[in-house]
Amino acid sequence: GQNIDQPTEMTATEGAIVQINCTYQTSGFNGLFWYQQHAGEAPTFLSYNVLDGLEEKGRFSSFLSRSKGYSYLLLKELQMKDSASYLCASMDSNYQLIWGAGTKLIIKP
Amino acid sequence: IAGITQAPTSQILAAGRRMTLRCTQDMRHNAMYWYRQDLGLGLRLIHYSNTAGTTGKGEVPDGYSVSRANTDDFPLTLASAVPSQTSVYFCASSEAGGNTGELFFGEGSRLTVL
Repeated sequence: GQNIDQPTEMTATEGAIVQINCTYQTSGFNGLFWYQQHAGEAPTFLSYNVLDGLEEKGRFSSFLSRSKGYSYLLLKELQMKDSASYLCASMDSNYQLIWGAGTKLIIKP
Repeated sequence: IAGITQAPTSQILAAGRRMTLRCTQDMRHNAMYWYRQDLGLGLRLIHYSNTAGTTGKGEVPDGYSVSRANTDDFPLTLASAVPSQTSVYFCASSEAGGNTGELFFGEGSRLTVL
């Protein structure tokens, strides 16, 4: 079956670095997405990886290892506004997105 | 810049009633989607449309129907609501069909079926 696993909740300190992991098992693979969702709001796109390696975009970076079925989202210099849920989604061979349940990130001062 | 507009934002509905959630986008995106989001679960695709005039079933289509008469509008209808359809519903769009691109989401419609 198809499955996306990510931690339910993480806590980090303002100014620190946090890494949110995601493992995926899908029928085929056409890329890995990360979205951010603040409580009560819509998800918004953060990153897309289809090749192995690290993609950096400001304070946020996303890594992919296709051979391991593994991705992570790295958030640096954490700010209080980064408190949100982070959704991992894998695109399968039919170009359908399979979503994880999300990781709720709590930032403490 | 509106992007995607959903209506209503919130609704309480008696079981057995018919309900249509509206979704309109002004980005001229070809593809549109309806997802439901439930606590502890990932977003689940209900129905999608890769282009005007076509629709397809997602992961959880039972009890829902959609239509795509034009590019901008993609309403979701619950013919006879049941309590298990209590959820937050998100409409989304992307430039290309087949989920190959970034999704843009509406603000969501919170539906409670009693």
